[in-house]
Amino acid sequence: GQQVMQIPQYQHVQEGEDFTTYCNSSTTLSNIQWYKQRPGGHPVFLIQLVKSGEVKKQKRLTFQFGEAKKNSSLHITATQTTDVGTYFCAGHGSSNTGKLIFGQGTTLQVKP
Amino acid sequence: DTGVSQNPRHKITKRGQNVTFRCDPISEHNRLYWYRQTLGQGPEFLTYFQNEAQLEKSRLLSDRFSAERPKGSFSTLEIQRTEQGDSAMYLCASSLNYKNIQYFGAGTRLSVL
Repeated sequence: GQQVMQIPQYQHVQEGEDFTTYCNSSTTLSNIQWYKQRPGGHPVFLIQLVKSGEVKKQKRLTFQFGEAKKNSSLHITATQTTDVGTYFCAGHGSSNTGKLIFGQGTTLQVKP
Repeated sequence: DTGVSQNPRHKITKRGQNVTFRCDPISEHNRLYWYRQTLGQGPEFLTYFQNEAQLEKSRLLSDRFSAERPKGSFSTLEIQRTEQGDSAMYLCASSLNYKNIQYFGAGTRLSVL
């Protein structure tokens, strides 16, 4: 079945350093979504990418969707302690299905 | 603005007991999803509804699991004869249609002793 993999699983950075997490799907995705989950919290939607090669920015966060629509990345510039949490990518398959397939997440720790 | 509401927030039960969780989606959302999340993992899809119709079920959903959305509004997830392996966070989400943003509730944490 369809699988979505994320690397790295954990990342510890010093406040002010950059951070990147990568997401790869075993199949072509119709779109990809990114969620953030704070410790003890629930997934909160960040952004959705739909087009091949799409790049979107939200302040210090930059999201990319690969040309083949099978991979994506999230880059955070100059991390802050408020960026702490687990970042998940999730994709819909190319067929008409409502289910999201989530990666296992990248947990970011930021040292002040 | 009321988001997705889940009750109870925590449930502790003994192995073999039945449990039922409730999810109230965002009012205008016609799609409702159930996921299960264990520590260190991403949410795993269980099932979803469009209005009252259950459109897809994961193979993870054994015969002990059943979900309903009788009037196309709130949904319930029942687990019969709970096992220790059922211990997890059960998340509900809702959306307007299948490609839209899924908004998650705070989840119900189940502990099976």
